[in-house]
Amino acid sequence: AQKVTQAQTEISVVEKEDVTLDCVYETRDTTYYLFWYKQPPSGELVFLIRRNSFDEQNEISGRYSWNFQKSTSSFNFTITASQVVDSAVYFCALSEAVIQGAQKLVFGQGTRLTINP
Amino acid sequence: GAGVSQSPRYKVAKRGQDVALRCDPISGHVSLFWYQQALGQGPEFLTYFQNEAQLDKSGLPSDRFFAERPEGSVSTLKIQRTQQEDSAVYLCASSLSGIQDEQYFGPGTRLTVT
Repeated sequence: AQKVTQAQTEISVVEKEDVTLDCVYETRDTTYYLFWYKQPPSGELVFLIRRNSFDEQNEISGRYSWNFQKSTSSFNFTITASQVVDSAVYFCALSEAVIQGAQKLVFGQGTRLTINP
Repeated sequence: GAGVSQSPRYKVAKRGQDVALRCDPISGHVSLFWYQQALGQGPEFLTYFQNEAQLDKSGLPSDRFFAERPEGSVSTLKIQRTQQEDSAVYLCASSLSGIQDEQYFGPGTRLTVT
């Protein structure tokens, strides 16, 4: 069975610090997708990034960066120079085997990130 | 509309009552998903539609849960004879079609069974 583990339940840092959210996954599929979503207090999940299993290049988008390492089955997310608006629950997710063209997501338990001013 | 909408946003039901939760996906999106998110947990898959066809309902926790999407657009998740363990946020997501498409989530319906 596929599984996503986010070992950090809660993280609290002071604004402008860098913070890394860990994600470890398990799958037997050779083709899969990994995702990060942000869930602010409003409750709506906001898509941040999708990465397929064949692309191990790290990605940077503004203050956000992602480190994908197949050798350790990890897909970590770093926020540089954190801001109060980054406070949210962050979820890592893995797509299961494709069902007739659609992705069924398996989520981790989430990491609650609090950025203090 | 601009995004996925869900109604009601909050629902309180007495144990044993039936409830119906509505999802309006983004116009033109073929795929529609329902997830259940318990307090402090990540969302868990319930069921998936491609147009009006329900292709996977393996995540529905019991036969009290039923979902439909009769015209391939709006979807309704129905829970019969609600139990306290059904209390959760129910999230709906839609995507354009295939495996390259990201899922856009609605704000969810928070169901509390008393």
